[in-house]
Amino acid sequence: DAKTTQPNSMESNEEEPVHLPCNHSTISGTDYIHWYRQLPSQGPEYVIHGLTSNVNNRMASLAIAEDRKSSTLILHRATLRDAAVYYCILLGGSTLGRLYFGRGTQLTVWP
Amino acid sequence: GAVVSQHPSRVICKSGTSVKIECRSLDFQATTMFWYRQFPKQSLMLMATSNEGSKATYEQGVEKDKFLINHASLTLSTLTVTSAHPEDSSFYICSARGRPGINRPNYGYTFGSGTRLTVV
Repeated sequence: DAKTTQPNSMESNEEEPVHLPCNHSTISGTDYIHWYRQLPSQGPEYVIHGLTSNVNNRMASLAIAEDRKSSTLILHRATLRDAAVYYCILLGGSTLGRLYFGRGTQLTVWP
Repeated sequence: GAVVSQHPSRVICKSGTSVKIECRSLDFQATTMFWYRQFPKQSLMLMATSNEGSKATYEQGVEKDKFLINHASLTLSTLTVTSAHPEDSSFYICSARGRPGINRPNYGYTFGSGTRLTVV
């Protein structure tokens, strides 16, 4: 039970911003929102995580809704290397510290 | 920092034999390690969780006698697929979690590069 809902696929053009949505309406107060991405034939890679406030790092930004029932991963300028499956995962007491992956969103970036 | 090395990257074995996959945390102590399996075009499925020096906790539906997990040290965990069959062919991925630190703000979840197992 992944507890998150993401679109199966999204597309973007290179150098354009990408907004990847995630719904997590049953999130508990202690759950953090984590994002990982997986390139073909590789292990997942950490992208960003947050609890309540919006977060920025060198890879992306995470916008969290005020009610925490949804969040959006923002890639400010997509590159071809950003083509991957992006997973939105809840991590906290309800998951006993384990990362359970859902289906994720396959992001295609066009040159 | 926070590098997890997984070996081998690819392995082909005959049906009925056993295969061991190693997962090492190179620059941190992994208090907990996780093992996942991923079939083509599917998501990662958590198989088991292991804490150093303790028996692994298996997810529902995962056969503990078939997938033997050893986490004898803070830097090494192994997954042994015993009596492998073609249906065990899959992409196996480990993840190691250490203590959060300055260089590992993601609460210490780092993944290996995966092992492609093919049973013939």
